[in-house]
Order: sequence, then C-alpha cells, then structure tokens
Amino acid sequence: EPEVTQTPSHQVTQMGQEVILRCVPISNHLYFYWYRQILGQKVEFLVSFYNNEISEKSEIFDDQFSVERPDGSNFTLKIRSTKLEDSAMYFCASSLGSPYSNQPQHFGDGTRLSIL
Amino acid sequence: QKEVEQNSGPLSVPEGAIASLNCTYSDRGSQSFFWYRQYSGKSPELIMSIYSNGDKEDGRFTAQLNKASQYVSLLIRDSQPSDSATYLCAVRAGGSYIPTFGRGTSLIVHP
Repeated sequence: EPEVTQTPSHQVTQMGQEVILRCVPISNHLYFYWYRQILGQKVEFLVSFYNNEISEKSEIFDDQFSVERPDGSNFTLKIRSTKLEDSAMYFCASSLGSPYSNQPQHFGDGTRLSIL
Repeated sequence: QKEVEQNSGPLSVPEGAIASLNCTYSDRGSQSFFWYRQYSGKSPELIMSIYSNGDKEDGRFTAQLNKASQYVSLLIRDSQPSDSATYLCAVRAGGSYIPTFGRGTSLIVHP
C-alpha cells in the first residue's frame, strides 16, 4: 500500500538554526499538509498546499515557516530560525482530493524535531 | 476560539466489551467529523468520518453524530487489546481546510 514517507525520523538542531523537514507524499495525491504535535498536546494544523501554492494556513504558520514542492515528489517544511518551542513531532499528510471532497488524509510517521 | 473537548482518560475496558469514546465541539458551523487512532509515538490513522446526524457503522466501529447537541462519539464493539491507543476527535468547519483536533482519549483494553 502506498504511504507517505518522512525524513529524517529525528532531527536535533541548535536554537536559531534553520531546519528542513522532508516528505514524499503518495504519488497521485494532489493536496499536501503539515501538522505538528508538541509532546502530550493536540495535533495542530500548520498549512495546506495545492497546485504549488499555500491554500490555507494557521496562526502558527508565521514568517519563520515556509513550504515548498521543489520537484515532482518532495514536499518540504522549512523553519528559518528555530526556537525551543518548535520542538515537536511534525507530520506530513497528503490526500487525493480536496478536504471539501472529504477525501481522507494519509499521514506519514512524522519527524521528531528537538531544538537544543 | 474553536474547541474540541475529549476526556483524556484513560478509559479501561475488558477485552470483548464495548468502548465508548465521546467528543464535544464548540463551533456550530462544523460540518465534518473524524475519528483517528494514534498509537504511542506513531502518526494518526483515520478510522471513521461522519458528516450527517445519526450513526455510521464500519466493522466494529460506529460513529454517532448529534449536531444539535454538538456531540460526536465512537463506539468500538468487541474491543481487542490491539485497540489500545489514543483516539483523536477532529472537527472541520464548512469552507475551511483546517481541522481542529481534541487532545484525545487514551483507551486501554485489558485481556
């Protein structure tokens, strides 16, 4: 069964450094998402991406964050200058159709980001 | 502020019993409702989605929605130890991509 893959599984970074989290969505999916989950907290939506542009973003997704689909397969989340509070599990997800079509979102296994 | 509330648990049930998980939400404009299962350290996995009032059954799982009461529940029949996980309720308003998740209810099914 096709799956969403994320790399690395664990990223340790010094505060203030830039970090890029990588995701390979399911190949025929058109909508891509990033979520985060701080340890013991709720899953929080960050951003959705379609047709090479952001379709919606949450208040968390400020100027420190950016997303990119640099080629036909990868989908990346960049945090420019990391803060301690960015430490969390980051999940990538993809769906075949729009959330309005109620197509299910398939999640990757996540990248645990630890900021020191 | 859109809120989705769940009892954190843990909810402990014996193997073979029915587990009942509940969720309330604050936004009356909510139109899509989802239940995810999350094993410790793993990603959320969609179990059920429901969009209209009433019950929706899929195997051992039944989702129940009552929009008037702003309440959605998940019943798991014939609970198995492998069902032990955290169950996340997520709610999405019409016209928005953004789902709001609850904190989740921890379910323990003991043999």
